[in-house]
Amino acid sequence: DTVLTQSPALAVSPGERVTISCRASESVSTLMHWYQQKPGQQPTLLIYLASNLESGVPARFSGSGSGTDFTLTIDPVEADDTATYYCQQSWNDPWTFGGGTKLELK
Amino acid sequence: QVQLKESGPGLVQPSQTLSLTCTVSGFSLMDYSVHWVRQPPGKGLEWMGRMKYDGDTYYNSALKSRLSISRDTSKSQVFLKMNSLQTEDTAIYYCTRGTEIVMPTGFDYWGQGVMVTVSS
Repeated sequence: DTVLTQSPALAVSPGERVTISCRASESVSTLMHWYQQKPGQQPTLLIYLASNLESGVPARFSGSGSGTDFTLTIDPVEADDTATYYCQQSWNDPWTFGGGTKLELK
Repeated sequence: QVQLKESGPGLVQPSQTLSLTCTVSGFSLMDYSVHWVRQPPGKGLEWMGRMKYDGDTYYNSALKSRLSISRDTSKSQVFLKMNSLQTEDTAIYYCTRGTEIVMPTGFDYWGQGVMVTVSS
C-alpha cells in the first residue's frame, strides 16, 4: 500500500506563509488531493490533482508537487485556518490518506 | 443539490456485524463513485473502500477480509457491511462522493458521518 507521510503539527502566526508537506512511499503521479478538517466537522476538499483549487476555496490555498513529494501552501494564514490537513492519493489501489498535520495559530 | 447521508446503529456489540447505509441525492450512482472513510476518536482518516460508478468494488487491504460494499441504484443507496467488529472499530463512519470517470479528482461531497461505538 502507498504510505503518505505528513508532519504531525505546525504552529504559525496569522499573516505568515505556511507549507504542509506530504511524502508518498511510491509515485502517485499528480493524483494527490488535500482536505481540511475542523473539529467536529467532516473533511472538505481544498485541492485536487495536486494543484487545482476546489470551487469556493480561497485563493490563499495552493498546492504543488508530483511523483512522491507534495506541498499545500497557505499564504497568508488566517485564524480560521486552524484545522487538521490531510493529503490523500488516488493513483494506487488501495487509496490512502496521510496521518494529518494539525495547524495551530500562535 | 448533492447530499449524502449515513444511517445505521450507533452501538454494535463486539464480534457482531456492522451495517450502514449511505443514501445519496442530487447525482446518480452510475456517474459517481461512493467511498467509505472512517475516523476513530481523536485519530486520522482511514479510507475503507469504494463502490465505483461501474459497480466494481475496491477495499482497504487491512479490512478486505471483513468488509463488503454493495449498492441499490434504484434507491440511490450504497451499503457497508463489516463483520467481526472489535473495540478498535469504534469510529465516525463517513460516506463521500468521488469523481472517477475521467480521473479521480478527490472527494468533493461528504456526509455528516455516523458515530459507531463497539461495546458490550
